[in-house]
Amino acid sequence: DIQMTQSPSSLSASVGDRVTITCQASQGIAHYLNWYQHKPGKAPKLLIYDASNLDAGVPSRFSGSGSGTDFVLTISNLQPEDMATYYCQQYDTRLTFGPGTTVTFK
Amino acid sequence: QLHLKESGPGPVKPTETLSLTCIVSGGSIISSTYYWAWIRQSPGKGLEWIGSIDYSGSINWYNPSLQSRITISADTSKNQFSLSLSSLTAADTAIYYCARHKIDGARFDPWGQGLPVTVSS
Repeated sequence: DIQMTQSPSSLSASVGDRVTITCQASQGIAHYLNWYQHKPGKAPKLLIYDASNLDAGVPSRFSGSGSGTDFVLTISNLQPEDMATYYCQQYDTRLTFGPGTTVTFK
Repeated sequence: QLHLKESGPGPVKPTETLSLTCIVSGGSIISSTYYWAWIRQSPGKGLEWIGSIDYSGSINWYNPSLQSRITISADTSKNQFSLSLSSLTAADTAIYYCARHKIDGARFDPWGQGLPVTVSS
């Protein structure tokens, strides 16, 4: 199975900061990667699909990049409502998620 | 707007079978574009895909680690799909989500709110 890792596992940032979350696949997955935002008690929300495509209605401060084994989710100009856990998910072979990165505020 | 909502029993006991249903509203599960899926999140852990099904039930795609214990089915007359997970252990304690995903691209959207399930004697 393809294993996904994320770093960092958690981070603290301030409003207005630029935040970068990395996701690494154990083998090449081309662009077959999605990103989700998950807030406690709520349904996870799709942010980015196919590594770099912003889902409809998602603020433009979110962006995704990468291909192969290394991917990045960037949140520019961090907002209070962005406090959440972020997951990557590959769909090259079956479907697996990364362990998540929790974003909190300083 | 498509809405998914999980329903199921309260606490369940080890060795029992868990039965969950995902009720879909705002759209039909009959689609040649989408699969219907179950995902779970165990306490303190990340998300785990359980399996997916097409509306006809003719295509089942299961997580190999759970395959021997799961059955996913669809009921187009009720516009819902279901998960059956047998031989429960405490390790199956989790929040269970249902979701839709594209056949081509496998992005989960939307998701249900999630249903906590506790396996305890």
